[in-house]
Amino acid sequence: NAGVTQTPKFQVLKTGQSMTLQCAQDMNHNSMYWYRQDPGMGLRLIYYSASEGTTDKGEVPNGYNVSRLNKREFSLRLESAAPSQTSVYFCASGPRGGTLNEQFFGPGTRLTVL
Amino acid sequence: DQQVKQNSPSLSVQEGRISILNCDYTNSMFDYFLWYKKYPAEGPTFLISISSIKDKNEDGRFTVFLNKSAKHLSLHIVPSQPGDSAVYFCAARYRGSNYKLTFGKGTLLTVNP
Repeated sequence: NAGVTQTPKFQVLKTGQSMTLQCAQDMNHNSMYWYRQDPGMGLRLIYYSASEGTTDKGEVPNGYNVSRLNKREFSLRLESAAPSQTSVYFCASGPRGGTLNEQFFGPGTRLTVL
Repeated sequence: DQQVKQNSPSLSVQEGRISILNCDYTNSMFDYFLWYKKYPAEGPTFLISISSIKDKNEDGRFTVFLNKSAKHLSLHIVPSQPGDSAVYFCAARYRGSNYKLTFGKGTLLTVNP
């Protein structure tokens, strides 16, 4: 099992360019999440999908859109990148409910917007 | 308003000694708390968790203590090893949040040989 995979690992964009970050999980989890990590800010939730077919805003959704393509895949799109979106982006997945509560994270995408 | 706070950005301890990482929270609706460990250039990995109905959970060298009245939890690592050097994030969840986690800003632990 690969767990949570993310592509690309690194990306450099110019201001105004668009791109999509891809995420896939093979753990049959219902919920998937996108976070960004900035120095001194911890992990902040951008968007999440509690189950296939649903998406909701997190703490910092402005400038982003998401698509839950199927149960396995959850993509994050930047329509018009800005320097403030320079960050490390992590995708995570987790079971919904039950006694398991931990989320499993991918290795991250390091994005620089010039 | 930050609901999960890790007030120490960094902590340095000697190998073999105890490491104590602290976390405070403000939302009394949190029902589950987790600790994650993160190495540079990797995603966070789950370390240990505790339900709000318990006050202690132990897993090998790692123990998490929860003091609900003080809204405080701590992670104890005994004995500390150089491989424990990483950023540690405290996270909390409440059922009404659709199983979302709220993270603290993290504490960088350095274990010196």
